Amino acid sequence: QKEVEQDPGPLSVPEGAIVSLNCTYSNSAFQYFMWYRQYSRKGPELLMYTYSSGNKEDGRFTAQVDKSSKYISLFIRDSQPSDSATYLCAMRVLTGGGNKLTFGTGTQLKVEL
Amino acid sequence: ETGVTQTPRHLVMGMTNKKSLKCEQHLGHNAMYWYKQSAKKPLELMFVYSLEERVENNSVPSRFSPECPNSSHLFLHLHTLQPEDSALYLCASSQTAQGASSPLHFGNGTRLTVT
Repeated sequence: QKEVEQDPGPLSVPEGAIVSLNCTYSNSAFQYFMWYRQYSRKGPELLMYTYSSGNKEDGRFTAQVDKSSKYISLFIRDSQPSDSATYLCAMRVLTGGGNKLTFGTGTQLKVEL
Repeated sequence: ETGVTQTPRHLVMGMTNKKSLKCEQHLGHNAMYWYKQSAKKPLELMFVYSLEERVENNSVPSRFSPECPNSSHLFLHLHTLQPEDSALYLCASSQTAQGASSPLHFGNGTRLTVT
């Protein structure tokens, strides 16, 4: 079983839709969760990070963590064509372990006009 | 220049060639990383350097040889690679190699093709 599972997509939605991207994980020691966005031919860029259960909002983006279910989500409201990218979830233990992140495979999102 | 810069952007090499990938960060960070990104696979951590000292070597074959001459520069020396080594190689940096709130900043990668 992979430590982090993420549906690779592709996911295609119309402009303005609400997008839900998800990851599940098996290691209960993971306490720190991140979402990266990667545009084509670019490196990943950090979108959001959180280390607590519940929701964290930043503009059109909301990160949600449910540690009891080992499930994290990224919601994108009012999706735009510029949101078309691959979204990578990543996680790590909170203390120790260096800065070693475990990544999902990424979900490819396309927002169409 | 700002952020993390990687050169070259694309590299095609034969299995007997020797080449090097270069990474430079302009963020004043103390930790640098090499990751491998293959299609439909998670990013794989290869090496971690903290203050120019290697702190992690993730069972990477010896045909990959990292070098960190100072905290701003990182190299990945390549020799006698295999076709399965074809991938996007990403360099990243962070303020420290420890600590939860030290996010990674990635470069745009070198797309390597081994023929």
